[in-house]
Amino acid sequence: DAGVTQSPTHLIKTRGQHVTLRCSPISGHKSVSWYQQVLGQGPQFIFQYYEKEERGRGNFPDRFSARQFPNYSSELNVNALLLGDSALYLCASSPSTENYGYTFGSGTRLTVV
Amino acid sequence: AQKITQTQPGMFVQEKEAVTLDCTYDTSDQSYGLFWYKQPSSGEMIFLIYQGSYDEQNATEGRYSLNFQKARKSANLVISASQLGDSAMYFCAMREDWGNKLTFGGGTRVLVKP
Repeated sequence: DAGVTQSPTHLIKTRGQHVTLRCSPISGHKSVSWYQQVLGQGPQFIFQYYEKEERGRGNFPDRFSARQFPNYSSELNVNALLLGDSALYLCASSPSTENYGYTFGSGTRLTVV
Repeated sequence: AQKITQTQPGMFVQEKEAVTLDCTYDTSDQSYGLFWYKQPSSGEMIFLIYQGSYDEQNATEGRYSLNFQKARKSANLVISASQLGDSAMYFCAMREDWGNKLTFGGGTRVLVKP
């Protein structure tokens, strides 16, 4: 079975640009969460989606948005990129919002120059 | 105040020896879950072990065991018989009852020496 897949694996963007990151959860998993991991730190929660609805949001500016599609895949969008947005963006899927079985993807490494 | 504290930024351990990674947490919830993840240089977060706040027995998964001391709010990870492949970052995380997000600590880097 395929695990959580994220694309692209690496990305370089210029300040002020927009970026879209993609995540496909494990088959049968209906919940997707996004985390930002700045170099040298632990991951920080950005969003959780379940059944296409936002179920949780972390302390991130409105430049960050996300959505979940009917097939449970998800996109994370970041507008007006700043140098500080450079990080590893991790996607995690789980069967539901209450199940503790979070499975993470390998992440998208975003570099803003 | 930090909810998850990992006080050891880095550790060396000899191959085949055991190592204990410290984790303390802060919550006022009665129901919560504690997780340990391994992150190799590839970036993927690999789930190792889970302990629920109401679990009376310490969790074990193969060479991993969790030393759960609820009154002290600590959830230390013990890796027995260390292998070279255990070299990685290790993160402690908590899920509180009121939310579905994981709150992570700052991590501990483990380097296993042959």
